[in-house]
Amino acid sequence: DGGITQSPKYLFRKEGQNVTLSCEQNLNHDAMYWYRQDPGQGLRLIYYSQIVNDFQKGDIAEGYSVSREKKESFPLTVTSAQKNPTAFYLCASSNPRDGYNEQFFGPGTRLTVL
Amino acid sequence: KQEVTQIPAALSVPEGENLVLNCSFTDSAIYNLQWFRQDPGKGLTSLLLIQSSQREQTSGRLNASLDKSSGRSTLYIAASQPGDSATYLCAVRRKGGSEKLVFGKGTKLTVNP
Repeated sequence: DGGITQSPKYLFRKEGQNVTLSCEQNLNHDAMYWYRQDPGQGLRLIYYSQIVNDFQKGDIAEGYSVSREKKESFPLTVTSAQKNPTAFYLCASSNPRDGYNEQFFGPGTRLTVL
Repeated sequence: KQEVTQIPAALSVPEGENLVLNCSFTDSAIYNLQWFRQDPGKGLTSLLLIQSSQREQTSGRLNASLDKSSGRSTLYIAASQPGDSATYLCAVRRKGGSEKLVFGKGTKLTVNP
């Protein structure tokens, strides 16, 4: 059963802590993405990766870090430098080589800072 | 800079009605456009993708059209049902190799029984 999984579904963080959100896909997609969604705002791109061992900053990368050591995995770390991390985080993947590059999303992780 | 606008922000209709959701974008040089559905607290589900060379795509009761020259796309939902209640988002991918999607803020649809 192909798809994108994100864990955990809910995450609580104390101020000053770093936390890592997991994203795994078994669609054999080269490209993966992290978005942040806040009420009343559209999705904003944090980081994206078009191939293993390579990634680029999106529109709001400050306070976040990523790695892409495996094709299937693209974890996102929310660092203590991110001043307002409470949000809904969405991971996505796509296959740029198929000519469509249709983007598919995981179920999301809701992060709350206590 | 590409901007995507969806109007209205919210729409409430009675069950059985046919309806149209609107999406407009400022730069017509797009690679493709995607329509998504999002249920509360969930991820996005891809509904339809229209390539820049296409005029429309259909899936079941859904029909999406694209008019690049005017910077507009519409999502037509036929015979709406309460289960269609969700937020619908459109997103465009820029032409020229960029992998990034630019999203609108969505239209929240409520279909009343």
